Amino acid sequence: DTEVTQTPKHLVMGMTNKKSLKCEQHMGHRAMYWYKQKAKKPPELMFVYSYEKLSINESVPSRFSPECPNSSLLNLHLHALQPEDSALYLCASSTYALGPPAHGYTFGSGTRLTVV
Amino acid sequence: GNSVTQMEGPVTLSEEAFLTINCTYTATGYPSLFWYVQYPGEGLQLLLKATKADDKGSNKGFEATYRKETTSFHLEKGSVQVSDSAVYFCALGDNAGNMLTFGGGTRLMVKP
Repeated sequence: DTEVTQTPKHLVMGMTNKKSLKCEQHMGHRAMYWYKQKAKKPPELMFVYSYEKLSINESVPSRFSPECPNSSLLNLHLHALQPEDSALYLCASSTYALGPPAHGYTFGSGTRLTVV
Repeated sequence: GNSVTQMEGPVTLSEEAFLTINCTYTATGYPSLFWYVQYPGEGLQLLLKATKADDKGSNKGFEATYRKETTSFHLEKGSVQVSDSAVYFCALGDNAGNMLTFGGGTRLMVKP
């Protein structure tokens, strides 16, 4: 299995809702990432998990809460989002978070989030 | 810090035309270089990579050569197809534990 699987593919939520995005990989990768991508822009790093521990939080607002239950799963819990949080949320994984990224990252297809 | 600069798009070509998308970088040490492609409505797919100077990455008719002397990693394809229409991102990964650094992306539109 050489894929990163993200669910759901599309999500519409109100500003008072609580929802979660899910990401799964079975490549044995020990680093997993959340990115946010706005239209016509490159992905922006949000969080990095290395060996199931949060290693980087790029000053992301607390209404985004990541969780890594095990080495194959990564969640992003959403609460009280704003319309400007509407974007494509991408999950990625790599062999390791630190050290030469010779193999690059494997990205999922993303969750298209719309906050109304 | 690390940075990646790509030519701004959109790049509009006719089918079977030659493609070049320029990418230059700034980094310390000896980074790895990547091209990712993003088709409409999808995530990023690794297109090709090069991990040391003078390496040539190639895939699906695309190629790019890691040029340390000019700090460049230009993407080329001899004959583009309509199905190549997508956004292409150049990216850099250093060996100091920093995350991937992306360029701004270049949209390619290929017309029949």
